[in-house]
Amino acid sequence: DAGVIQSPRHEVTEMGQEVTLRCKPISGHDYLFWYRQTMMRGLELLIYFNNNVPIDDSGMPEDRFSAKMPNASFSTLKIQPSEPRDSAVYFCASSNAGGSYEQYFGPGTRLTVT
Amino acid sequence: GNSVTQMEGPVTLSEEAFLTINCTYTATGYPSLFWYVQYPGEGLQLLLKATKADDKGSNKGFEATYRKETTSFHLEKGSVQVSDSAVYFCALKSGGTSYGKLTFGQGTILTVHP
Repeated sequence: DAGVIQSPRHEVTEMGQEVTLRCKPISGHDYLFWYRQTMMRGLELLIYFNNNVPIDDSGMPEDRFSAKMPNASFSTLKIQPSEPRDSAVYFCASSNAGGSYEQYFGPGTRLTVT
Repeated sequence: GNSVTQMEGPVTLSEEAFLTINCTYTATGYPSLFWYVQYPGEGLQLLLKATKADDKGSNKGFEATYRKETTSFHLEKGSVQVSDSAVYFCALKSGGTSYGKLTFGQGTILTVHP
């Protein structure tokens, strides 16, 4: 099993540009989570999906952030326009009800907005 | 709502010292409890878990016991190694409308010196 796959691993962009982060969950998992981690705020849940449907997006910071899950094997987190305060490590995780909801995390995408 | 509180860090120990990282929680019903570990440059990974009161989770020499009467799930290890240096997160999962979602503590940084 390849685990949760995220791309890119590192992204450096200029303020105002659009950024798209990608995630492939573990096959068979029906939950997908997007987190953001910073030194100041720690680990924050942004949004999560169940069976490709967004369940809770209350952690999405503002309208500049959007997330989609068009099918069971792919999700994107988009920031448009990006700002320096969006610099963080973004993690994707997946889980399933049959596995006691243990979440499996991807390696993360380190985003730097200059 | 649900919440998890971990002891303030960072924690610095010498190799072979005894480790305790305190974790207390607030939740409705009977949550499942988890400890996750994050090694430098990686995503979080499950260290151990307990799903009901008085259960003891254990893995890699680490242990934690689910104490319902004190709403605690403290992490312990009898003899730490340099390779245990990481960030440790306590988390809980409860049912209801947040089914599938984990609530994480703020994380505790552990550094072990030779």
